[in-house]
Amino acid sequence: AQSVTQLGSHVSVSEGALVLLRCNYSSSVPPYLFWYVQYPNQGLQLLLKYTTGATLVKGINGFEAEFKKSETSFHLTKPSAHMSDAAEYFCAVSRRGGGNKLTFGTGTQLKVEL
Amino acid sequence: GAGVSQSPSNKVTEKGKDVELRCDPISGHTALYWYRQSLGQGLEFLIYFQGNSAPDKSGLPSDRFSAERTGGSVSTLTIQRTQQEDSAVYLCASSFGTGSPLDSGNTIYFGEGSWLTVV
Repeated sequence: AQSVTQLGSHVSVSEGALVLLRCNYSSSVPPYLFWYVQYPNQGLQLLLKYTTGATLVKGINGFEAEFKKSETSFHLTKPSAHMSDAAEYFCAVSRRGGGNKLTFGTGTQLKVEL
Repeated sequence: GAGVSQSPSNKVTEKGKDVELRCDPISGHTALYWYRQSLGQGLEFLIYFQGNSAPDKSGLPSDRFSAERTGGSVSTLTIQRTQQEDSAVYLCASSFGTGSPLDSGNTIYFGEGSWLTVV
């Protein structure tokens, strides 16, 4: 069985500061990995995904994430936070060969302060 | 309307009543998913339809929950004899193809959800 742990249900950063949202997974084999963002009253939007190849993945809105097999992690970063980044972020995994069925973490609410 | 469409957007129902939630996937998408988002619970997988294959119902929490997908397009999630713990946002999503994330075309697109409140 797969599981996803997101450390910190709430993260607060200053505008212009580094954003770091943590995600660790548990799986018998490395899964596919995803980050989704949910803005208030909107559906989930894919930020980026790791499937194979280069372990540093770049996504939309300046976000990137690095797959580290040895640490079973897929942390999301952005060098400089913007007010518009305030949202809830979900890390998710899906099993290789298991279709697109996603297992989500509990989410991290990002607050960006002036 | 290029996105996944869900209705109703909000539903308040009395405990014990049945509710139906509708999902209109993106045209041409063969895969359709239902998830539930509860406060403090995160997002839970409920059910997955892929083309004409038998659906994966492994996430349905009880036999009060069922879902259909008619004609390979629109889906209805039905909750019978609703309970207060059923209060949540029910999210529908769709994607192309056989479901491998290796295919860049297999991005899952989510609707805005149906907010269900059971009183």
